[in-house]
Amino acid sequence: DSGVTQTPKHLITATGQRVTLRCSPRSGDLSVYWYQQSLDQGLQFLIQYYNGEERAKGNILERFSAQQFPDLHSELNLSSLELGDSALYFCASSARPGTVGIANTGELFFGEGSRLTVL
Amino acid sequence: QQQVKQSPQSLIVQKGGISIINCAYENTAFDYFPWYQQFPGKGPALLIAIRPDVSEKKEGRFTISFNKSAKQFSLHIMDSQPGDSATYFCAASIGNFGNEKLTFGTGTRLTIIP
Repeated sequence: DSGVTQTPKHLITATGQRVTLRCSPRSGDLSVYWYQQSLDQGLQFLIQYYNGEERAKGNILERFSAQQFPDLHSELNLSSLELGDSALYFCASSARPGTVGIANTGELFFGEGSRLTVL
Repeated sequence: QQQVKQSPQSLIVQKGGISIINCAYENTAFDYFPWYQQFPGKGPALLIAIRPDVSEKKEGRFTISFNKSAKQFSLHIMDSQPGDSATYFCAASIGNFGNEKLTFGTGTRLTIIP
């Protein structure tokens, strides 16, 4: 168990709809990352938040948005869904820099993912 | 633009054999190279990682070999076991604190047969 919690585990929806995926990072982790995993594309970085602020952006579509709340949980919003958005969406968190007793190994801790199916 | 290229896409190895997965990168600013292991229905989990100041790192049956001049690194699994059957991802990042954004390879599905 990585300590990262994602909900829902599975989601089936129709084209044109909007969904929200939720992530709770490991206790104390300030950074949250979102990745999309599809069969032919591997793991694609979408976006990173650090302590509530957007830190880095990857190949995230304009139809997608994310935010990190004061309690550090994060949500990924996917709108105007298309068939091609069907994928596994992973959230990951990493250790807070400067945390006493924890070296910055660069390790990301992944949740078990949310499987989105768009019909 | 894919910055980390991984091969092969799939690999079948007999139990007890050596599994080898290769990766090549383009961005010379990368300074952290982890390998992640993913079992079906689970998220990726860190297996082993290396920084470019060493050419090899070994943890049990798993070894990373790193060639900075060639911009290549590889994962070797010695005495491969059926429990090693999983998808393996190489990755690379610029390891700034709080900014461990990883660029992943496309993955290798490893199957160990008895």
